[in-house]
Amino acid sequence: NIVMTQSPKSMSISVGDRVTMNCKASQNVGNNIAWYQQKPGQSPKLLIYYASNRYTGVPDRFTGGGYGTDFTLTINSVQAEDAAFYYCQRIYNSPPTFGGGTKLELK
Amino acid sequence: EVQLVESGGGLVQPGRSLKLSCAASGFTFSDYNMAWVRQAPKKGLEWVATISYDGSSTYYRDSVKGRFTISRDNAKSTLYLQMDSLRSEDTATYYCARPTVVDYYVMDAWGQGASVTVSS
Repeated sequence: NIVMTQSPKSMSISVGDRVTMNCKASQNVGNNIAWYQQKPGQSPKLLIYYASNRYTGVPDRFTGGGYGTDFTLTINSVQAEDAAFYYCQRIYNSPPTFGGGTKLELK
Repeated sequence: EVQLVESGGGLVQPGRSLKLSCAASGFTFSDYNMAWVRQAPKKGLEWVATISYDGSSTYYRDSVKGRFTISRDNAKSTLYLQMDSLRSEDTATYYCARPTVVDYYVMDAWGQGASVTVSS
């Protein structure tokens, strides 16, 4: 099975900063990646699918990129409400493996 | 508004069974594939199973094959997960999730989760 590895495991940044988090697939997955946001005590929410397509209603400060094995999620001008865990997911084929997550904390 | 409401969670002994339900509303349930995703305490997300819109096809992660059964009742707009031979490693919050129309595994709607604890 394809393994998804996210880095860093956690990061602490200030409101207004730009942040980039990474997701690496153990094999080429093309653009078959989704990103989710999960705030404490809440269920996950879809942000990005097919690596760079922003889901309906997601603010345009969230941008996904990458292809093949290396992917990024960038948040421009981070807001306080962006504090959460972020998960990447390999999609299109089974099993749809999730990465271990990146915790984003605000200073 | 799309709503997915899970029920049926609880504390169960190893080796016993439990059945989760997910009541869907706000969309045409019979048009969508559906899925279960779980999250162990303080851990990441793990896909469990997916069922096609008409129930004709089902897919499972290896660790639950032969023990869990996903099913649906389109007349009742309800998704189910029958969990047999439960193990301690099945302890998790189980989310009912709706895949998008463009991909079997991209989930665009999630329930609030049902907690399952497997312990003696």
